[in-house]
This record gives sequence, C-alpha cells and structure tokens, in this order.
Amino acid sequence: EVRLVESGGDVVQPGGSLRLSCVASGFTFDKFAIHWVRQAPGKGPEWICLIRGDGGDTYYAESVKGRFFISRDNNGQSVSLEMNTLGPKDTGLYFCARDITEGEKSISAPGIWGQGTQVTVSS
Amino acid sequence: SYELTQPPSVSVSPGQTARITCSGDALSRRYADWYQQKSGQAPVLIIYDYNKRPSGVPARFSGSASGTLATLTIVETQVDDEADYYCYSTDMSGDHRVFGGGTKVTVL
Repeated sequence: EVRLVESGGDVVQPGGSLRLSCVASGFTFDKFAIHWVRQAPGKGPEWICLIRGDGGDTYYAESVKGRFFISRDNNGQSVSLEMNTLGPKDTGLYFCARDITEGEKSISAPGIWGQGTQVTVSS
Repeated sequence: SYELTQPPSVSVSPGQTARITCSGDALSRRYADWYQQKSGQAPVLIIYDYNKRPSGVPARFSGSASGTLATLTIVETQVDDEADYYCYSTDMSGDHRVFGGGTKVTVL
C-alpha cells in the first residue's frame, strides 16, 4: 500500500522557521516526484513546490520562492520542506503527495496524498 | 501569476450530467487535472493528463478540453458526488503549477 506520512507541523511565531518531513512507503521512492501542497482553512489547495524523483530539479510557487526549500533523501525514502521567514499567510494544512506518473524525471500531478500536518503562524 | 478560473458552484439533479469548467490561458497547451475534495479529507485525483482516470475512479468522470477551456463531466451524478472540485495545471513555462479556485457541486 502506498503511504505518505507528514510530520513537523507546529505553532510558530511570525518570522520563524519550521521543517516538515514526509516519509513514504509502498513504492519505489526514487521513481516518483513528490509535491507539497497546502490548504488554508476554508480555502482551496495551493501548490507550493515539487522535487523530481532523481532530485535533479525543483520547482516553487512564487509565494514561497526564496523562503521554502525542498529536498529528498532517496535512501531514507523521505522528503523535507524547510520553511523560513514564515508569515500568517503560511498558515494551513500541509500535504505531501506522490506524483501520479512513474519516472525519475517525470512530473504530472499530485496523485496520492498524505493526511497533512498543520502549520500555524501566530504570535 | 497564472490563474485558473472555475465557477463557484454547480447544481445538478441525481442521475443528470454535471459539467465543471476551468479556464486558463495555457490550457491550449497544458493538460488540466481534476481533484475531488470532500469535507475534512485530502483532495483525491480523479482525472489527469487530459482524460486518464486513476485506478478506482468511476468511468462516470471524464475530462475534455477545447482551446483554453477544460471541462470535467460527471454523468449519472450521484448524491455521493457532492463535493468541491478543483482543476490543476501548469503555466506556459511549465515551472509553476496552480489549482483553480474550486467549484462546489451540489446534488439535489
């Protein structure tokens, strides 16, 4: 069974930093891109970033570019999201998701999602 | 920044056909994917790469596109299809992915 489990969410003050983790199982990890998507309360999902299966390319939404950094450890079957200079607009449920298409260099769409980890930015 | 535009709501009677549109400048060259989200749950991918369905998604769901408009069609709509639906795609550069604002489908 494909499974993704996020962790690391917390309450953090504005300007602070946080590191989220996504641990995967049930599939050949380095064959799939991993996405991070967040959802603010009562709002639609917002795509944040992704990293290709081989770790060779990363892409970021403009809203987080230069503040958030995605990385992966293919041996440990995990992806991390380092988040810096956090503000209230970064509050939300953060999901990691495995791409639907297999291939070290393939990118399609977030296919299988975890249950999310909550990040709250508040003083 | 790139945007995908969806109608806020669509109403449909049980057994009828629901159509949800998604408009975006790059859709003439980029696939639209579609997600279903029910309250308190993570989004579920129901259509990807124009008109492919992940395993387990009923054939009642289909995708199509014409020009800069993508459409999700649900035939023989069921009460259980009541949910929020989001389109998802990439801008022309291929670097940025976005979700549409979402369409609430009400089955009544």
